[in-house]
Amino acid sequence: NAGVTQTPKFQVLKTGQSMTLQCAQDMNHNSMYWYRQDPGMGLRLIYYSASEGTTDKGEVPNGYNVSRLNKREFSLRLESAAPSQTSVYFCASERVWSTDTQYFGPGTRLTVL
Amino acid sequence: TQLLEQSPQFLSIQEGENLTVYCNSSSVFSSLQWYRQEPGEGPVLLVTVVTGGEVKKLKRLTFQFGDARKDSSLHITAAQPGDTGLYLCAAQGGSEKLVFGKGTKLTVNP
Repeated sequence: NAGVTQTPKFQVLKTGQSMTLQCAQDMNHNSMYWYRQDPGMGLRLIYYSASEGTTDKGEVPNGYNVSRLNKREFSLRLESAAPSQTSVYFCASERVWSTDTQYFGPGTRLTVL
Repeated sequence: TQLLEQSPQFLSIQEGENLTVYCNSSSVFSSLQWYRQEPGEGPVLLVTVVTGGEVKKLKRLTFQFGDARKDSSLHITAAQPGDTGLYLCAAQGGSEKLVFGKGTKLTVNP
């Protein structure tokens, strides 16, 4: 099993460009999450999907949209990238919402110029 | 927003030394987790503590949950270079969403 996979691993964008970060899990988990990690700020929750068909905002949702495409896949979209969105983005999955271990992907390092 | 304060923020020690890192809050949590993150990787869960006063051991790592379930500590005995990484505490409170501390960056020098 691959666990949680994320693509791409690295990306450089210009201000105003759009892109979608992809995440997939093969553990049949119900819940999925998107976090961003900035130096000195820890992990901050952007959006989450407690179960297939639902999505909710986290702590820092502005400038992002998400899609829970199916049980396996949860994508994060930046419609108009800004330098403040330069960060490392992590996707995570959890068997059952808020009761279990979160498994993280390897991250996507995004730079917005 | 529930805040988790981790200290110290950075720690650089020699191989063989002992160390303790702390995770504190003014909020009561139903459970608290410790993760380790290595450079270029995502965080990996080390342990979950759920009972006030609980102590769990994982080889040379000892985790303690405070009696009031507001704080936790991680003690490493005889640190090794392989212990190097970012240690994150995370907790679930009333909102049920996991909240992360900012982490302690540990460097163990050979």
